[in-house]
Amino acid sequence: DGGITQSPKYLFRKEGQNVTLSCEQNLNHDAMYWYRQDPGQGLRLIYYSQIVNDFQKGDIAEGYSVSREKKESFPLTVTSAQKNPTAFYLCASSILGMQPQHFGDGTRLSIL
Amino acid sequence: KQEVTQIPAALSVPEGENLVLNCSFTDSAIYNLQWFRQDPGKGLTSLLLIQSSQREQTSGRLNASLDKSSGRSTLYIAASQPGDSATYLCVPRVSNFGNEKLTFGTGTRLTIIP
Repeated sequence: DGGITQSPKYLFRKEGQNVTLSCEQNLNHDAMYWYRQDPGQGLRLIYYSQIVNDFQKGDIAEGYSVSREKKESFPLTVTSAQKNPTAFYLCASSILGMQPQHFGDGTRLSIL
Repeated sequence: KQEVTQIPAALSVPEGENLVLNCSFTDSAIYNLQWFRQDPGKGLTSLLLIQSSQREQTSGRLNASLDKSSGRSTLYIAASQPGDSATYLCVPRVSNFGNEKLTFGTGTRLTIIP
């Protein structure tokens, strides 16, 4: 079945550590997105990519980095510069020109 | 800046009832509006997408309406079932470019009581 796979489901970060969240899709979608979800707030866009080897900052990109070396993969790195990383992170994808239609099941990141 | 309000924030109803979830948005210059459901600890599942030129969309027991001029959308759920328990999110898209330009509401948390 086609879909989006996020891993791990739970992740813990120590002070000063970078961590990477994985997102893989087999839907052959060109566009991929990363969102952050905090309690009581709507999803906020971190980064998005419309094509391989290209990506743009969203509304809250500070402290995060991404890469898009393959169409299927869009990993998100939460760097030590992100001072409040505890949140639920969602990856999404879409065909070019459409908004996100398919979402992964998320990664919950916590601080140790 | 687009702002999205969903009322009520939480709703509990007995199984079998019909119910309406409300969404209002401040910028009526939308390209389309989408309703999603989110189960606890999971991602979003798309339910219905209404284009700005449409008044409503239906899928099974779900019906979504759109009044763009007044900045409102409603999601009607008929004959509710326990499996409908989830958080429902309203997401307007502001323009027909920049498909990343979405504003997510905080949702209505629905509980259907068996």
